[in-house]
Amino acid sequence: NFMLTQPHSVSESPGKTVTISCTRSSGSIASNYVQWYQQRPGSAPTTVIYEDNQRPSGVPDRFSGSIDRSSNSASLTISGLKTEDEADYYCQSYDSSNHWVFGGGTKLTVL
Amino acid sequence: QVQLVQSGAEVKKPGASVKVSCKASGYTFTSYYMHWVRQAPGQGLEWMGIINPSGGSTSYAQKFQGRVTMTRDTSTSTVFMELSSLRSEDTAVYYCARAQTGTAPDYWGQGTLVTVSS
Repeated sequence: NFMLTQPHSVSESPGKTVTISCTRSSGSIASNYVQWYQQRPGSAPTTVIYEDNQRPSGVPDRFSGSIDRSSNSASLTISGLKTEDEADYYCQSYDSSNHWVFGGGTKLTVL
Repeated sequence: QVQLVQSGAEVKKPGASVKVSCKASGYTFTSYYMHWVRQAPGQGLEWMGIINPSGGSTSYAQKFQGRVTMTRDTSTSTVFMELSSLRSEDTAVYYCARAQTGTAPDYWGQGTLVTVSS
């Protein structure tokens, strides 16, 4: 099976742009969709990006997703950072059995 | 509106079993799969398995094979996740999450804290 590797933490200032990476260890990143979840302390996760780059209704367009075949990674980009964006972010994809595989999560600090 | 309401916190001794419920409302229960995901304290998300409420078929993460059982009761629109032979490492918040086939979840339960301690 493969692993999804994320940076443990990132930080950026309000109003700036931050990108969180999610690198697949084996197999192509493009072979299965990638989702991104936001989890605030004490709350359940919510989906902010699905199917690589789609935003659920209600998620601001400051959130965007992409995949890069050359680095075999997916990215979540948040522009115009707000303090409310401070949270843990997880990427997720599927293995050959359609089971979910999560990245280890990235703590975003907006300072 | 769609709601997934989970059962309350549990404290169990090592070796025991726990059964967590997730009661769905606001949609056609059999039209969406239900996933179970857990999160140990201060740790990341871990997928446990999925149940199809329509026919009851299941698929479990290899790590939990033989220890987890997911079932459903269509009369009450409730899915259950039972984990046996509990050990301290099973202390976690357990979430149910609704999704259609091969898609991202759109609703999550509030989570159920299971504490395993002697």
